[in-house]
Amino acid sequence: AQSVSQHNHHVILSEAASLELGCNYSYGGTVNLFWYVQYPGQHLQLLLKYFSGDPLVKGIKGFEAEFIKSKFSFNLRKPSVQWSDTAEYFCAVTQGGYQLIWGAGTKLIIKP
Amino acid sequence: NAGVTQTPKFQVLKTGQSMTLQCAQDMNHEYMSWYRQDPGMGLRLIHYSVGAGITDQGEVPNGYNVSRSTTEDFPLRLLSAAPSQTSVYFCASSSGTSLSDTQYFGPGTRLTVL
Repeated sequence: AQSVSQHNHHVILSEAASLELGCNYSYGGTVNLFWYVQYPGQHLQLLLKYFSGDPLVKGIKGFEAEFIKSKFSFNLRKPSVQWSDTAEYFCAVTQGGYQLIWGAGTKLIIKP
Repeated sequence: NAGVTQTPKFQVLKTGQSMTLQCAQDMNHEYMSWYRQDPGMGLRLIHYSVGAGITDQGEVPNGYNVSRSTTEDFPLRLLSAAPSQTSVYFCASSSGTSLSDTQYFGPGTRLTVL
């Protein structure tokens, strides 16, 4: 069965630092990949998604993610974080059908 | 649009009690789903629906029932609450029946079962 690993449960960075959050999934084949974000007190919302084509995907608020099929990875990146990026970030995968498989989430804290 | 709304925001139940968590969306979305979120774990799908009158089980359906009599509403029923059902519950919807469509989430219901 498909599973998703987010290796860092908590990440603390200073403003202007670069960010990379890891996401690995377990099952090969055609996958669709997502990053969702939950800001404090807000709903979960889509950050970016990959279905096909260019493996480098750009999302909202300056985030991007790179799909590396050979590594089963879909890491999230941002070159320079801001205090407002403090949130919990979730990676999710589907192989079609109606079920998303979610990672456990990474809590990101940005120190001003 | 209000988007996806959930009520109540917080609920405390005693073991064995039943209750219904409400979810509604005003975006005319076909796909709706219920997840639970537990500490240190990702969201897990409980039940989902691809349209009025159509529901199916997700990863963790035991102890929960759903129905979809209208496009707008997708209530989740706990038949006999157990402490293991203490969790945060999220409802989500999307416009199509494919997960390629962005899912929109409600604010969540924090449930405690004593």
